[in-house]
Amino acid sequence: AQTVTQSQPEMSVQEAETVTLSCTYDTSESDYYLFWYKQPPSRQMILVIRQEAYKQQNATENRFSVNFQKAAKSFSLKISDSQLGDAAMYFCAYRSWDYGQNFVFGPGTRLSVLP
Amino acid sequence: NAGVTQTPKFQVLKTGQSMTLQCAQDMNHEYMSWYRQDPGMGLRLIHYSVGAGITDQGEVPNGYNVSRSTTEDFPLRLLSAAPSQTSVYFCASRTSWTLIDEKLFFGSGTQLSVL
Repeated sequence: AQTVTQSQPEMSVQEAETVTLSCTYDTSESDYYLFWYKQPPSRQMILVIRQEAYKQQNATENRFSVNFQKAAKSFSLKISDSQLGDAAMYFCAYRSWDYGQNFVFGPGTRLSVLP
Repeated sequence: NAGVTQTPKFQVLKTGQSMTLQCAQDMNHEYMSWYRQDPGMGLRLIHYSVGAGITDQGEVPNGYNVSRSTTEDFPLRLLSAAPSQTSVYFCASRTSWTLIDEKLFFGSGTQLSVL
């Protein structure tokens, strides 16, 4: 079974600065998808970015980008020009090709943005 | 377009009571699932369904039952609530379990407390 690890339970960043959230995963598969979800205090789950393992190019969505290192099984999220609205819980998730293709989530990193 | 609707948003139960968490989606999604979210544990899969009439167990199925008689609805039943089931519950769906790049669409969650 796949596992997802987020080693930073909490992080903080100054407004307008850059922060990187770490995620590692364990798998024997060669193709899969990785996701970052954001959960603000409203409890809503919001997709931030996704990356296919077969694609070499790192995904980017506005101020959010990933550093995908397939050999190291690492999938970090970089948030540039941090804003107060970025304060949330961030979950890394893995999705495989097995039956159901269910998502496996990491434990989450709580990000605080300091004004 | 309502998306994924969960009811209730909050619930308090006494140990041994039963209840059903409701989940409905209006997007004609084949795949539906239930997760529980606990601090430091991320989201863990309870049960999932790849289509009407088909259900399977996830990572933490004990104490929960599900059924899928229609495409739209996927209720989660707690037959005899225990304090260990105190958690936030999320229902999530997507078009088809075979579309590897598709994100999960989440409901707004149910905060359940078992006393």
